[in-house]
Amino acid sequence: DTGVSQNPRHKITKRGQNVTFRCDPISEHNRLYWYRQTLGQGPEFLTYFQNEAQLEKSRLLSDRFSAERPKGSFSTLEIQRTEQGDSAMYLCASSLFGEEETQYFGPGTRLLVL
Amino acid sequence: DQQVKQNSPSLSVQEGRISILNCDYTNSMFDYFLWYKKYPAEGPTFLISISSIKDKNEDGRFTVFLNKSAKHLSLHIVPSQPGDSAVYFCAASAPIEKGSNYKLTFGKGTLLTVNP
Repeated sequence: DTGVSQNPRHKITKRGQNVTFRCDPISEHNRLYWYRQTLGQGPEFLTYFQNEAQLEKSRLLSDRFSAERPKGSFSTLEIQRTEQGDSAMYLCASSLFGEEETQYFGPGTRLLVL
Repeated sequence: DQQVKQNSPSLSVQEGRISILNCDYTNSMFDYFLWYKKYPAEGPTFLISISSIKDKNEDGRFTVFLNKSAKHLSLHIVPSQPGDSAVYFCAASAPIEKGSNYKLTFGKGTLLTVNP
């Protein structure tokens, strides 16, 4: 399967702990996006990369959130000092150069902060 | 303010009949629209899309219609099958020259239930 993969699929943590999620995009997709989805809502944009450059961050991405894509392939999203309000599904998507308008999503990482 | 609205939280149809899911948008900069299907505990799966230069796009049982003057689009599924039961999200984007870099703005989704 050559789709977008995300790890872990589920994460339970205690408030105040740090967590890190990984996303592996579809091979050769140069754009990578992170979204967050809470119950009853559609996914909301967090940030995106073109190759290794982070080109835009949403105001939803507080200082406790950081994302990297060091070699232009996989990406990590870290949340420091987690809060209960961070509980959500974190989705990663990728798109191909020249076809940026269509994004393909991974299965998501479900985060629960206790 | 919600720029993409799906006003029907749920829709129930009989197998074999047509399902029509609706979506409205307010941002005139949007020029590309997509429909995603989502099962519980999974990521959204891309279904079909349409560019603002078209008013219809068809792929098998799925057809998307776009009415730019009304800022309205709809997804038609014919015939509906029980496996189509899922949450359907409408999404919209604009290119960089319109200030958006193709990031997606989603509606809240419509839960479609197709009864056997």
